[in-house]
Amino acid sequence: IQMTQSPSSLSASVGDRVTITCRASQGISNYLAWYQQKPGKVPTLLIYGASTLHSGVPSRFSGSGSGTDFSLTISGLQPEDVATYYCQDYNSAPPVTFGGGTKVDIK
Amino acid sequence: QVQLVESGGGVVQPGKSLRLSCAASGFTFNTYAMHWVRQAPGKGLEWVAIIWYDGSYTFYADSVKGRFTISRDNSKNTLFLQMNSLRAEDTAVYHCARALGGGGTAASYRFDPWGQGTLVTVSS
Repeated sequence: IQMTQSPSSLSASVGDRVTITCRASQGISNYLAWYQQKPGKVPTLLIYGASTLHSGVPSRFSGSGSGTDFSLTISGLQPEDVATYYCQDYNSAPPVTFGGGTKVDIK
Repeated sequence: QVQLVESGGGVVQPGKSLRLSCAASGFTFNTYAMHWVRQAPGKGLEWVAIIWYDGSYTFYADSVKGRFTISRDNSKNTLFLQMNSLRAEDTAVYHCARALGGGGTAASYRFDPWGQGTLVTVSS
């Protein structure tokens, strides 16, 4: 399975609504997770099951989708959200496949 | 708190071997599956291997199958990655990551938390 994220990078203003998309090369039901990797830090789990927020994740993050098309939305971008975001398929795991990442920064 | 600390990275020549360790603390290690995930410098994430909570099942990415071996010592709360026949393309930061399940469940393929990683550089 291939996981394709778009865009590869984006720049937005504080408070903007930001949406990142992830497309699977074949249907993966809702077995999709999103991770956030801040600069110089390790990845942290944001969302699993395509739309379930992991414990402690701010509610401005949300996920949606099923099958092949998924999205991660940040409703009101904050400076601390500057990071690279990765989607991950675990429908047919193992193996596990990550998307190529989307780098988000502040305009 | 949950902590994962990797060690064993370094500079190694192509074709040589290296053994990575990941010391776990703050949780009941022998009830969780564990993974290795790597990240080449400036690149994205690449999953490497999984081992179930009791060591009874392992699986590898095609890129490392036959060269890498994942194992664990539950008596010492430690995860290992034996890397043989190393290649330049294996150069990366290697993270251990705890699964959210013990083995044969979807949760076992979600990762939280991740260790800080240890850098492996394969170069002559």
